[in-house]
Amino acid sequence: QVQLVQSGTEVKKPGASVKVSCKASGYIFTSYGISWVRQAPGQGLEWMGWISPYNGNTNYAQDLQGRVTMTTDTSTTTAYMELRSLRSDDTAVYYCAKTSGGSRDWGQGTLVTVSS
Amino acid sequence: DIQMTQSPSSLSASVGDRVTITCRASQGISNYLAWYQLKPGKVPELLIYAASTLQSGVPSRFSGRGSGTDFTLTISSLQPEDVATYYCQKYNNVPFTFGPGTKVDIK
Repeated sequence: QVQLVQSGTEVKKPGASVKVSCKASGYIFTSYGISWVRQAPGQGLEWMGWISPYNGNTNYAQDLQGRVTMTTDTSTTTAYMELRSLRSDDTAVYYCAKTSGGSRDWGQGTLVTVSS
Repeated sequence: DIQMTQSPSSLSASVGDRVTITCRASQGISNYLAWYQLKPGKVPELLIYAASTLQSGVPSRFSGRGSGTDFTLTISSLQPEDVATYYCQKYNNVPFTFGPGTKVDIK
């Protein structure tokens, strides 16, 4: 069965960076894109971007351009999302999701708290 | 970029009621639309894809319609376990924007 297992809770200071991992199993990793989505407290779902593990192509949300980098390691079937210059409004639960015509399979979520 | 809107932003209905949520795209997206259910503390669950195809395992009281710019999600008979926030998402091309969500609760 498809599993996406994310790294654990992070607490960061403003200005720092965070890198969240998403270990995929149960399917051919290079055959499906990975989306990253976040939900800030009391807010809706926000699409952050997408990466193709097949060729590394990425697309990022416009308002995160320059602060976010998504990568994959096909040898370990792991996707990564790095967010830099963290601000308090980056506090959110971050999800990875296997994407093909919508996202059926999601990671469990990683809470990132940005606080001084 | 194409913007996604949803209405209403929240609703309260009785158990057994028929509930309809509307999602609108600012430009045509054919049928590249998905609906998700999100409960507090849980992971988003895909309900509908391709605007009207029910994801395997999702109760048949959920249905989706629409194409182009206007879409609906209907719950034919609201159940207590349907209390959640519902989001539409376009996926015709990037960005795969979500709608702002519709919060559903029981009257």
